[in-house]
Amino acid sequence: NAGVMQNPRHLVRRRGQEARLRCSPMKGHSHVYWYRQLPEEGLKFMVYLQKENIIDESGMPKERFSAEFPKEGPSILRIQQVVRGDSAAYFCASSPTRTGGHGYTFGSGTRLTVV
Amino acid sequence: RKEVEQDPGPFNVPEGATVAFNCTYSNSASQSFFWYRQDCRKEPKLLMSVYSSGNEDGRFTAQLNRASQYISLLIRDSKLSDSATYLCVVIHGSSNTGKLIFGQGTTLQVKP
Repeated sequence: NAGVMQNPRHLVRRRGQEARLRCSPMKGHSHVYWYRQLPEEGLKFMVYLQKENIIDESGMPKERFSAEFPKEGPSILRIQQVVRGDSAAYFCASSPTRTGGHGYTFGSGTRLTVV
Repeated sequence: RKEVEQDPGPFNVPEGATVAFNCTYSNSASQSFFWYRQDCRKEPKLLMSVYSSGNEDGRFTAQLNRASQYISLLIRDSKLSDSATYLCVVIHGSSNTGKLIFGQGTTLQVKP
């Protein structure tokens, strides 16, 4: 039973390019959360999705960032026209219920570097 | 003011020492509390939940003081393998989404 799978592990993009980060939740988990960790900072909530629905996107920057969790396939975090400030570790977590907490499992993260 | 505040450290202690971390949270509606561990900016992993009655797991003891909005983690008989960043985490009671609010983390370095 694989855990939460994120890919790629490392992603390098030039300024202005698009970044697509993928997250496959644990089997049986239909709740997905995305968090961002900037250098020397703690993790910050970005967005919470269930299959085909965005439930809470209060942590998403207003522009350039979007997320989806289609009926089939992984959840995708998309960053358009990346800038240096987007360089960070992006972690996905899945949970069998929306209460999370001790039901959370985190993926290994995607380290995005914008050059 | 940050919602969850921790002393970033680093805490440098010898093997076998007892070390305590503190955390304060600003939202009195917070209802669930956890300590996570993060190694070298890898993914965070749940260390333990924190209950009002206090709870213990081996060498680790967590305490919650709701009146003071204060959470603590005590590590006894420190091991080299305890070196990591410890993250204080809360879930707001008003949240029906289960999103975690993380502190910045406290770094522990255990020396031989």
